[in-house]
Amino acid sequence: GAGVSQTPSNKVTEKGKYVELRCDPISGHTALYWYRQSLGQGPEFLIYFQGTGAADDSGLPNDRFFAVRPEGSVSTLKIQRTERGDSAVYLCASSPTGPNTEAFFGQGTRLTVV
Amino acid sequence: DQQVKQNSPSLSVQEGRISILNCDYTNSMFDYFLWYKKYPAEGPTFLISISSIKDKNEDGRFTVFLNKSAKHLSLHIVPSQPGDSAVYFCAASMASGTYKYIFGTGTRLKVLA
Repeated sequence: GAGVSQTPSNKVTEKGKYVELRCDPISGHTALYWYRQSLGQGPEFLIYFQGTGAADDSGLPNDRFFAVRPEGSVSTLKIQRTERGDSAVYLCASSPTGPNTEAFFGQGTRLTVV
Repeated sequence: DQQVKQNSPSLSVQEGRISILNCDYTNSMFDYFLWYKKYPAEGPTFLISISSIKDKNEDGRFTVFLNKSAKHLSLHIVPSQPGDSAVYFCAASMASGTYKYIFGTGTRLKVLA
């Protein structure tokens, strides 16, 4: 497909477990973003990659959250020692390089920590 | 500290009439603004954008107006259609930064047939 793909679409995990969320951006898009959306809120910025490097990780809430993009394409968001408060929809988006370009979002991964 | 605000959580409009969704921002460094539409269980879909060098951008039934002095933008949908029923998010970014978007909390639009 031509769009941003996120897997899994739903993830239920127990408190304290480790989870990985995957994002396949649009081919050729060098910028990749992770956002988190809680119920009744807008998407909240987590981290931005330009190529392989994290250019801005100021939105990561704490050191339990980490993201990688080793080859400048697919990205993985990793959450250690999950807590119930981590439950949300995690959205990935990609865009071409440069300012004033719109980002294209995937359908999100709904994470539920029980 | 909510830098982008959408003060109306919901809006109902009759089919064929105009829908006006509002957004306010506090950071004068924002210079690029976007509107996204979101249906349930889907990711946000880009709708329309505007750069701070403009005060209006139009795309079919959708027009975005920007008032920099008031730090306010609005999205007009004319005529409104039932398929427009969705949650609309306003977002802002800085071209000099890392281009991350700051989103508002959204306005749920319901277009009544």
